[in-house]
Amino acid sequence: EIVLTQSPGTLSLSPGERATLSCRASQSVGSNFVAWYQQKPGQAPRLVLYSTFKRATGIPDRFSGSGSGTDFTLTISRLESEDFAVYYCQQNGNLPRTFGHGTKVEIK
Amino acid sequence: QMQLVQSGAELRKPGASVKLSCKASGSAFTNYYMHWVRQAPGQGLEWMGIINPSGSTTSYSQKFQGRVTMTRDTSTLYMDLDSLGSDDTAVYYCASGFYYFDFWGQGTLITVSS
Repeated sequence: EIVLTQSPGTLSLSPGERATLSCRASQSVGSNFVAWYQQKPGQAPRLVLYSTFKRATGIPDRFSGSGSGTDFTLTISRLESEDFAVYYCQQNGNLPRTFGHGTKVEIK
Repeated sequence: QMQLVQSGAELRKPGASVKLSCKASGSAFTNYYMHWVRQAPGQGLEWMGIINPSGSTTSYSQKFQGRVTMTRDTSTLYMDLDSLGSDDTAVYYCASGFYYFDFWGQGTLITVSS
């Protein structure tokens, strides 16, 4: 099973700042097989990025992704109020599908 | 676009079973792989298993092997979970897609308590 480690656990930032979220895999993951999800309290997760850098429908271009091998990054260029949430990375190249434990992006 | 509507909250005693449903509309459900993902209170997301579009093949997380069964018909996904324990208290989500999960149900809260 591929274990995903997300860092930091919590990111305290102000609106307008840049957020950089990290996801490290215990073994190499193909770049087509990393996704990121956003979850707000009381809501289901929402797909943000897939195949490392491709934005899901309706996701603004301030969200971007990069990485390869075992290290992947989600960047939010300028945080807006609706971006404060928990973000999970996922690897989907192997079974079982696995998620990281999440990074909470909170308002500073 | 696919809409996934899940069944309502359930309360079960330890040792009991529960069957959840997830009804699809708006897209060709029979073309999609489907998954169940759960989230314990205050915790992260945990993948439980996948079922192929025809329902002929499933693959489960080793953690749930032997007590989870996923099935489907032409419009609805189901999951049976047996031998419930207090640590099965969680919100259970259905989600569509093979690699990434592009559509999610609203979640079903299962509470296991005596």
